[in-house]
Formats: sequence, structure tokens, C-alpha cells
Amino acid sequence: EDKVVQSPLSLVVHEGDTVTLNCSYEVTNFRSLLWYKQEKKAPTFLFMLTSSGIEKKSGRLSSILDKKELFSILNITATQTGDSAIYLCAVPPSGTYKYIFGTGTRLKVLA
Amino acid sequence: GAVVSQHPSRVICKSGTSVKIECRSLDFQATTMFWYRQFPKQSLMLMATSNEGSKATYEQGVEKDKFLINHASLTLSTLTVTSAHPEDSSFYICSAFPAGGAETQYFGPGTRLLVL
Repeated sequence: EDKVVQSPLSLVVHEGDTVTLNCSYEVTNFRSLLWYKQEKKAPTFLFMLTSSGIEKKSGRLSSILDKKELFSILNITATQTGDSAIYLCAVPPSGTYKYIFGTGTRLKVLA
Repeated sequence: GAVVSQHPSRVICKSGTSVKIECRSLDFQATTMFWYRQFPKQSLMLMATSNEGSKATYEQGVEKDKFLINHASLTLSTLTVTSAHPEDSSFYICSAFPAGGAETQYFGPGTRLLVL
């Protein structure tokens, strides 16, 4: 059965801290892994990863994929209160466009 | 570009009534749309895949007679929650996958349903 698991489930840090969020997956014929940020409404797209070992970066956020060990990490450096959100990773199962979402990590950044 | 809208954004209804939620892709065509449900403090759970011009594909455990999906055009899918009950109260989110392919699905802003 296809599965996506995220850890930790929740995290509280102070502004300026660096956080690492984890996503592990078991999916037949892996194609890609996607990261999203969800605040009060619908998820917003952060990254799509398809190749192992290549870091994707956008400002203070970066992400990398390890296809051998079947996981991805999302790093946020110098966190700000605006980074408080649920971070979701998603993987499309083989041959479909639909996504299986992970459990999500609820991040709270304190001022 | 790639904007998806949902209507209504919030709805309160009485138990036993039916509620229709619309999902529109505003600036692109989508042969495939998805409907998700999200309970408080939980992740998104895929309910069904909506295919333009054909029947929706429902995920295991989702009642197709309760959650009616119609994808009548390349820019509109509707989800009707029939005979709603309080346990159907949730956040319903649609997403659309552009015809011709894209890097990601595009999500609507969600509809918060409260059934009294």
C-alpha cells in the first residue's frame, strides 16, 4: 500500500532557529515528491523533487530527495513567525496524477 | 496564472439537506480535478478524482452516492454532499491538473462546511 509519513507531527521553535522536516514514502514506481505549505486555506506549492541528491532552494527554504532511502527533507533557516504553517509532502502513486499526502508537520515559530 | 476558485467559501446547513460546492479553473482547462477533505489538525485525504466527461473515481471508503461529483466542462467540477450530517462537517478542497501537464496540481481556497 502506498504510504507517505512525515515527522515530527508538530514543532515549536523560536524566530531565527533552523528546522528540518522529514518525509518518508513507500510508493510503487516513484516519479516525484512535492512539498506544500498550508496556512489557513489551501496548500501553496513549494517544491517538486524528482532526482536524488539535487537540492532545490527558494530563499530560506531548501529541500532534497534521497531516492535510495526513500525520504526527503525540507529545511527552513532563520525561521520567522510567518513560517508558522502546516507543511505537507505529497507523492503521486504510479500512473496517476492524484496525490497521497503525508500526515503533515505543524510548525509554530514564536517571536 | 493557474488560479482555481471554489464557491462557496463557507456554508452552514441543516442536517438532511444537500450542499453543492463548485470548483472552477479560471485561466486554464483541466481534464482532471480532485476533491479532498481535511478534518481539523489532519492532513488532506483524497476523496475522488473527477474526470471531464466521465464518471468520477472514488477512493476506498468514500460513498459515491453521498458525495456526487459532476465534471461537466473543462473548467468546472461540482461536489454535492447529499443528506448532509454533522460528521460531514469538514474543509473540502479541490485541485485541478492542467490539460497538457504541469509541475503541480493547483488548489482551490477550500470550502468550510458546517452541518448543524
